[in-house]
This record gives sequence, structure tokens and C-alpha cells, in this order.
Amino acid sequence: EAGVAQSPRYKIIEKRQSVAFWCNPISGHATLYWYQQILGQGPKLLIQFQNNGVVDDSQLPKDRFSAERLKGVDSTLKIQPAKLEDSAVYLCASSLNLRTEAFFGQGTRLTVV
Amino acid sequence: AQRVTQPEKLLSVFKGAPVELKCNYSYSGSPELFWYVQYSRQRLQLLLRHISRESIKGFTADLNKGETSFHLKKPFAQEEDSAMYYCAHKGSNYQLIWGAGTKLIIKP
Repeated sequence: EAGVAQSPRYKIIEKRQSVAFWCNPISGHATLYWYQQILGQGPKLLIQFQNNGVVDDSQLPKDRFSAERLKGVDSTLKIQPAKLEDSAVYLCASSLNLRTEAFFGQGTRLTVV
Repeated sequence: AQRVTQPEKLLSVFKGAPVELKCNYSYSGSPELFWYVQYSRQRLQLLLRHISRESIKGFTADLNKGETSFHLKKPFAQEEDSAMYYCAHKGSNYQLIWGAGTKLIIKP
């Protein structure tokens, strides 16, 4: 079974630029998560989708972050404009449904300079 | 507020010694707890969950509701156990709440 795919693996941008991350979940997984993991901390949930609907985006900084999952499969997370404090690993995960185990992608390491 | 605390950022033990990674949670309802592991250069993966009461790679974790703890234990550490370990709790809205993680180093 193919795992959760994320791209790019690494990205370096200047502050105030925009960036987008892409995630392809495991086939058939209805639930998709985006996490932000700052160095030395555990993952923090940014947004959670069930199919193409948002379940929870309470911790998403909506003034600069946006995410979509238009057809209930792939998802993109965008930051515009980026700040220095956005430097982190962005993890995508998927699960069959809200109650089952989440499988993680390799993550995208973002550095904002 | 729902919270997961892992008090040790780093734990270093010798090969063959017992290991205990601490995890405490705060939640008034019935908790659903997990341990995730991340080996070097690999993705985060589920190690075990309390409802399955299983032993994975020699690790076990017992839920202690009185002490609100879910410590991860292994009687004899192996070098391949070196990794980052995260404790997580599934909250009332199904989202995972994570501890900050403990880096486990097994010395030869």
C-alpha cells in the first residue's frame, strides 16, 4: 500500500513570499490532516478535513494560511505571506475515518529567511 | 484544557537496561491514548494505542487513570530503539493532542 505522499521535501523562501505544499493521502482515506511541527515541539494540528469538508481549523492562522481539498482526495496548504516563525516541518496525515489510526507523510521542511 | 505532557526532552540509557518514557495527560472524559515513534530519517508512525493492550517491539504502555499517566516501558533496551517518541491523546473532537516528545538514546 502506498503511503501518504508530500511534496516538496524541502523549501527555502524569503519572508513575505508565498509557498504551497501538496499532499496525496492513502487511497480511500476520508480524513486528512495538516500539522505544523516546530523544532523541539510536538505536531500542532492546523486543519482537519473529512472528505472535502473542514472538521476543525481552529488553530489555522487564517490571515496567512489556507488549505483546500477540493475533490476530497489531494490537498494543498498555502502560506501567503510567510513569516520567519513559519519555519517548521509541515506534516500531512490521513486516516480511513475520524476514529482510526493516522498515517503520516515524510513532511515538508520549510525554512523562511 | 486538554494537554499531554512528556516531562523528559531527552532520555539516555544503556543497551539492556529498562526504559520508561513518561506521559501524563489532562482530560476529564474517557481518554484514548497513543504512542508514536519517529526513527531517524523516517516518518512518524504509530507504535501502540492503549485500547489494543498489545506489545509492539517489546514496548508496553498501561493507562493509569488515577495518575492520568500512560508511560511507555520496555524491560531491555536495544540500540534500534533510539528514536523520538511522542505521546498523543485523541480529544473529544477526534483531533490528536501531542506531547513535545522525548528523544531516546540507547548507548552501546
